[in-house]
Amino acid sequence: AQTVTQSQPEMSVQEAETVTLSCTYDTSESNYYLFWYKQPPSRQMILVIRQEAYKQQNATENRFSVNFQKAAKSFSLKISDSQLGDTAMYFCAFIPTQGGSEKLVFGKGMKLTVNP
Amino acid sequence: GAVVSQHPSWVICKSGTSVKIECRSLDFQATTMFWYRQFPKQSLMLMATSNEGSKATYEQGVEKDKFLINHASLTLSTLTVTSAHPEDSSFYICSARTPHQPQHFGDGTRLSIL
Repeated sequence: AQTVTQSQPEMSVQEAETVTLSCTYDTSESNYYLFWYKQPPSRQMILVIRQEAYKQQNATENRFSVNFQKAAKSFSLKISDSQLGDTAMYFCAFIPTQGGSEKLVFGKGMKLTVNP
Repeated sequence: GAVVSQHPSWVICKSGTSVKIECRSLDFQATTMFWYRQFPKQSLMLMATSNEGSKATYEQGVEKDKFLINHASLTLSTLTVTSAHPEDSSFYICSARTPHQPQHFGDGTRLSIL
């Protein structure tokens, strides 16, 4: 079975600081995608960043970057220069690229609060 | 690009009525659409996967007759909650994708059954 684990249910950080959100996953697949989605209080699901497993280079999107450790099955999200608008639930998610499954496997989520 | 529109955003109705929620991909053709349910402070729970022109595939434990899904075109899927009851009150979110692309989510529908 494929699982995604976010072990920290909640974190807080001061504005302008850096914070790292952890995520581990379990799969026997060799090719897959990993995602971080953000869900602010408005409850929209917003794609923050994605990583393809066959790419060794860590993905970056402006202030957001990942630390992808394939052997350890770890996929952490680093948010630099935190802003108040980063306050949200963050979900780590996984999807295999082969095998026909189109289903995203989500972690339980982590609530991030950025304090002024 | 990749905008998914979901309507309505909030609906309140009486117990026993049926409610239809629409999910549209505005600027792309979605081969697959997904319907999720989310309880407060929890993750998204997949209800069903629908491919255009074919029957939806429901997850275990989801009642097919209660949650009717129609995916009549590459840009529209609908979820109808039939004979809704208070326990069906929840936040429902759709998503849409094309092959090898991430899922893009609608803004969700808050359903309240009185």
